[in-house]
Amino acid sequence: DADVTQTPRNRITKTGKRIMLECSQTKGHDRMYWYRQDPGLGLRLIYYSFDVKDINKGEISDGYSVSRQAQAKFSLSLESAIPNQTALYFCATSEGGQPQHFGDGTRLSIL
Amino acid sequence: RKEVEQDPGPFNVPEGATVAFNCTYSNSASQSFFWYRQDCRKEPKLLMSVYSSGNEDGRFTAQLNRASQYISLLIRDSKLSDSATYLCVVNPWNTDKLIFGTGTRLQVFP
Repeated sequence: DADVTQTPRNRITKTGKRIMLECSQTKGHDRMYWYRQDPGLGLRLIYYSFDVKDINKGEISDGYSVSRQAQAKFSLSLESAIPNQTALYFCATSEGGQPQHFGDGTRLSIL
Repeated sequence: RKEVEQDPGPFNVPEGATVAFNCTYSNSASQSFFWYRQDCRKEPKLLMSVYSSGNEDGRFTAQLNRASQYISLLIRDSKLSDSATYLCVVNPWNTDKLIFGTGTRLQVFP
């Protein structure tokens, strides 16, 4: 079983819809992150959390929200999806000072 | 200026060749450095951490030059399976907020 699991793996939806991406981990790490990846732009940090109920904005948080209700779960929501949020989304975890481990990614397309 | 800059490539090299990538970073206070490997449309995976004294893992050698603010990755005896995008990653404030370069693409051909 994967240590960091993202669901869904792929999603196609329409502009204006609410979407939730889920991330769960079995590594026992305190820290969790959401990134998006676009061609030519690399990975950009959306939100991160260092503990349950701890939420911090990243580089590009506008249009997104997150929830960290349990140590093992960190969900990302798009309240009203727009086409420029089409991207590959990654969840990652880490223990303090250690490198991050990534989930398999969610490919999101907004029409 | 971008915080982390990499030559996007692609670097096309034959099997057995030695290839090197550089990456520059802008924040002189950066504390931690990593190289990640990413296969097409897959998740990034840690290749190696980069230490001040340099480090080697098999065919891979990473070095850090703080004075010039760059890190390098050397791959010896390239294999077809080394074909991937290599991401330079910097932790500029030692707060676990990593800054990713856009990656350097390597293509190894037979």
